[in-house]
Amino acid sequence: GAVVSQHPSRVICKSGTSVKIECRSLDFQATTMFWYRQFPKQSLMLMATSNEGSKATYEQGVEKDKFLINHASLTLSTLTVTSAHPEDSSFYICSASVPQDGADTQYFGPGTRLTVL
Amino acid sequence: AQSVTQPDIHITVSEGASLELRCNYSYGATPYLFWYVQSPGQGLQLLLKYFSGDTLVQGIKGFEAEFKRSQSSFNLRKPSVHWSDAAEYFCAVGSGYTGGFKTIFGAGTRLFVKA
Repeated sequence: GAVVSQHPSRVICKSGTSVKIECRSLDFQATTMFWYRQFPKQSLMLMATSNEGSKATYEQGVEKDKFLINHASLTLSTLTVTSAHPEDSSFYICSASVPQDGADTQYFGPGTRLTVL
Repeated sequence: AQSVTQPDIHITVSEGASLELRCNYSYGATPYLFWYVQSPGQGLQLLLKYFSGDTLVQGIKGFEAEFKRSQSSFNLRKPSVHWSDAAEYFCAVGSGYTGGFKTIFGAGTRLFVKA
């Protein structure tokens, strides 16, 4: 099946700094990638949909200036958390859709645990 | 609006016993339905999916799910649970919209397996 990687798997940063998370599709080209946020013991919350070569579509309530998404190639999307604060601490998961698998089946990365001190 | 309900927050099953995880959805058209599994600190792995055709869908790791339109349900089943099945399970519905596709996840059911 399709493989999606994320880097880093875990990051700790100081309040006020910015953190970049990478999401890569390793064995396929992904025109669409998704970024989710997951709080402990909760479900996934879609933050934004990232389309290669165009601006990301953010969900209601997600600050686009705080969570910068770039999808510069068919295999890489990045999420930058700018001026991070402790409330941004969370588990961030990306996924990439594979249209040829039917109905935009998504394959998920292993997630990135962000801790902001 | 589309929604997914997983009525059970957690379930405990003895190893070797059968398992059924419930999922109900609300969607105006024919839904695309998925079950994912998440181990602690990991991403999600696709177990199975339903788009059309046979309403009984076979997945990986011995799981199956049955789509019942009349009940708006897509319950996940396994005849004999293994200790390694302990994880969080998410039911999801695919929701098409203009220019794209979005997946809505249920709240999840945590499965505990006792020896």
